[in-house]
Amino acid sequence: AQKVTQAQTEISVVEKEDVTLDCVYETRDTTYYLFWYKQPPSGELVFLIRRNSFDEQNEISGRYSWNFQKSTSSFNFTITASQVVDSAVYFCALSVNTNAGKSTFGDGTTLTVKP
Amino acid sequence: NAGVTQTPKFQVLKTGQSMTLQCAQDMNHEYMSWYRQDPGMGLRLIHYSVGAGITDQGEVPNGYNVSRSTTEDFPLRLLSAAPSQTSVYFCASRRGFRSSYNSPLHFGNGTRLTVT
Repeated sequence: AQKVTQAQTEISVVEKEDVTLDCVYETRDTTYYLFWYKQPPSGELVFLIRRNSFDEQNEISGRYSWNFQKSTSSFNFTITASQVVDSAVYFCALSVNTNAGKSTFGDGTTLTVKP
Repeated sequence: NAGVTQTPKFQVLKTGQSMTLQCAQDMNHEYMSWYRQDPGMGLRLIHYSVGAGITDQGEVPNGYNVSRSTTEDFPLRLLSAAPSQTSVYFCASRRGFRSSYNSPLHFGNGTRLTVT
């Protein structure tokens, strides 16, 4: 069975601070993908990034960066110089190549960025 | 493209009533799924389908029914609504099926259901 843990339920920062959202996953499969999704206050769910289990390269996209470490089963997400528009619920998800590729989601982290 | 379209956006039901939440996608995605979102519980999979004519249960299937007669549509039926089914429901699709675990999900905008 797969499991995704986002231990941080809520995080509050002041604009321009850096913030890291933690994601820890569990799976016995050796082939899998990890994802981050964003849910802004308007409610829609938007895909941000994916990473496969064979690629531990970190990725940077503008103010966003992702750190994938198989040794600690973690896929953490960092926002640099946070902005009010970053306020949202962020979900980490795991899909494996067995079990019809169903996605297992963490409980989400609510990020509030204050001006 | 419209992507994934869910209707209605809001619905209020009384206990015991039945209804169908509609979901349609125009991306020719084989895989479709229904999730419910409850505060502090993330997204939980209700039912999913890997193609027309094929459906299977997810994590929380009780009280819900689905069918997949076409690639485009994946309706979710509440057989006899209960207050515990008050939630926000999301339909999601993904390209491919058996080997599509690497594809991200495309979500509809959600249906907020209240059962009184």
